[in-house]
Amino acid sequence: QVQLVESGGRVVKPGRSLRLSCVTSGFSFANYAIHWIRQAPGKGLEWVAVMSYDETESYYADSVKGRFTTSRDSALDTSFLQMNNLKVEDTATYYCARDITFAVISLPNQWGRGIPVTVS
Amino acid sequence: HFELTQPPSVSAAPGQKVAISCSGSDSTFASGSVSWYQQVPGAAPRLIIFDNNNRASGVPARFSGSKSGPSASLAISGLQTGDEADYYCATWDSRLNLVVFGGGTLLTVL
Repeated sequence: QVQLVESGGRVVKPGRSLRLSCVTSGFSFANYAIHWIRQAPGKGLEWVAVMSYDETESYYADSVKGRFTTSRDSALDTSFLQMNNLKVEDTATYYCARDITFAVISLPNQWGRGIPVTVS
Repeated sequence: HFELTQPPSVSAAPGQKVAISCSGSDSTFASGSVSWYQQVPGAAPRLIIFDNNNRASGVPARFSGSKSGPSASLAISGLQTGDEADYYCATWDSRLNLVVFGGGTLLTVL
């Protein structure tokens, strides 16, 4: 079955960098966009970024634009979220999710369990 | 970007039916499609409805979605205690190329 597993989260100081990984299995990774979404403690869902299946398109929320970069490695079936110049307000559980639609960017479908990131 | 507005909370008794609304003022939302997600406490969100009214795999028929112009709705009938969760609507903003989530609605089954 479809699985996504995030890793790389930890406690970091403001201004530092962190890279999250999302290892996937159970579907053809090369054919789906991958989203990143976060959820601050006790808050709602905030979409962060998406990269298209073929790496030609990537889009970001205004709150992270210029600081975060998403990438992917089809040989590893893995998506990455590089987070630079981290701020206290970036503290959240970060989820990766496979897109609903084959070869098109739309909305998240299956989600990973999430990984906590604390900036303090 | 535009916002999607949901009621903070709704409640109903077991066996009853409840509806959760999701409204957006932007024309992009009026012409776009909506997905709904369920998040049980302590767990990751789960897709339950996509393209306005299509149930995701494994979702019981008690869950249904609808959309008319700038308003969407998630209906849950035959409520069970296991349905207690936060529910989020979401749409793709094709003008700004980003996903917009509603603020979430906490469903309590009394």
